[in-house]
Amino acid sequence: QKEVEQNSGPLSVPEGAIASLNCTYSDRGSQSFFWYRQYSGKSPELIMFIYSNGDKEDGRFTAQLNKASQYVSLLIRDSQPSDSATYLCAAKAQWFQGAQKLVFGQGTRLTINP
Amino acid sequence: DAGVIQSPRHEVTEMGQEVTLRCKPISGHNSLFWYRQTMMRGLELLIYFNNNVPIDDSGMPEDRFSAKMPNASFSTLKIQPSEPRDSAVYFCASSLVGLAGGYNEQFFGPGTRLTVL
Repeated sequence: QKEVEQNSGPLSVPEGAIASLNCTYSDRGSQSFFWYRQYSGKSPELIMFIYSNGDKEDGRFTAQLNKASQYVSLLIRDSQPSDSATYLCAAKAQWFQGAQKLVFGQGTRLTINP
Repeated sequence: DAGVIQSPRHEVTEMGQEVTLRCKPISGHNSLFWYRQTMMRGLELLIYFNNNVPIDDSGMPEDRFSAKMPNASFSTLKIQPSEPRDSAVYFCASSLVGLAGGYNEQFFGPGTRLTVL
């Protein structure tokens, strides 16, 4: 079992609808979780992070964390064609000697259809 | 400010050749990460450094891979000898991590696309 699991998709959503991306993790010691967006041929860029149970909202994006279920999700409201990308879920695996290690899921490819 | 700089952006080489990938982290950042991304395996952490010291190299696939960080502004990832299965996009990322912990964003470079024939 991979430490961080995502449905690889592709996930197809009509423009203006809500896109829901899901992620589960196996390490109960993970404390912080991150969503990165990666456009085709580009590098990942951070869009959200969350470390408390519940919801965290930032514009059209909402991250949700349920530590009991070991589940993280990302909701994108009013989806736009520019949201079409691969979304990577990551968990912070350890704090050791001041450095940080992230474990990434396989990514979910999202396509927003005009 | 310039972001993370990687070179070369593309590298095509033949099996058995030595490959050296280079990374310049964001000035002032104290942690540097080397990742490899393939369709099959996704984004994998190879090694990371904190204050130029290698902290965890458990992701380095085999002895053919080595990484160095001689100073705060430069790191290399070397593959010798290279094999076709090493073909991937290699990303370097950097972040600023405080002593108190917490999380600081990892900023990724543009990546090096390596093709080993």
